[in-house]
Amino acid sequence: DGGITQSPKYLFRKEGQNVTLSCEQNLNHDAMYWYRQDPGQGLRLIYYSQIVNDFQKGDIAEGYSVSREKKESFPLTVTSAQKNPTAFYLCASSRQGSGELFFGEGSRLTVL
Amino acid sequence: AQSVTQLGSHVSVSEGALVLLRCNYSSSVPPYLFWYVQYPNQGLQLLLKYTSAATLVKGINGFEAEFKKSETSFHLTKPSAHMSDAAEYFCAVSDLPNDYKLSFGAGTTVTVRA
Repeated sequence: DGGITQSPKYLFRKEGQNVTLSCEQNLNHDAMYWYRQDPGQGLRLIYYSQIVNDFQKGDIAEGYSVSREKKESFPLTVTSAQKNPTAFYLCASSRQGSGELFFGEGSRLTVL
Repeated sequence: AQSVTQLGSHVSVSEGALVLLRCNYSSSVPPYLFWYVQYPNQGLQLLLKYTSAATLVKGINGFEAEFKKSETSFHLTKPSAHMSDAAEYFCAVSDLPNDYKLSFGAGTTVTVRA
């Protein structure tokens, strides 16, 4: 079945550590996205990529980094520069020009 | 920039009663509007979308929404609530085809009373 796979589902880290969240899709979608979800704030866009080897900052990119070396993969690194990293992170993809996002099941990051 | 406002962060309905979730948009161009649903600890799933065709849009699970330009609204309704409708609902807007990005509202949590 086609879909988006995020891993790990739950992740704990100590302050000062970088962590990388994985996102893989087999939908052959061109565009991929990372959103952060906090209670009562909806979803906020971190980074997005429309094609391989290209990506753009979203509304809250500070303290995060991404890469897009393959069409299927769009990993997100939460760096130690992110001041409040505890959140639910959602990866999504879409066909070019569609606007309909397909979401993974999310990764919940907790900083101890 | 486009944005949406969802009125009411929590809605409680009785099983069998009408579900009404409110969304107002702000966009400088004719918008593309979406409703998504999220069950606990899961990703979001598309319920329905408006892309400038019919103003009354039917989606999955018996939901529908009506685009009203004069009111800049895109409210979501379901005539009869079911226990399985308990979830969080998000309205979103895009300026497609010029923009891939969606801007989401803060969400409305629906609880269904037996």
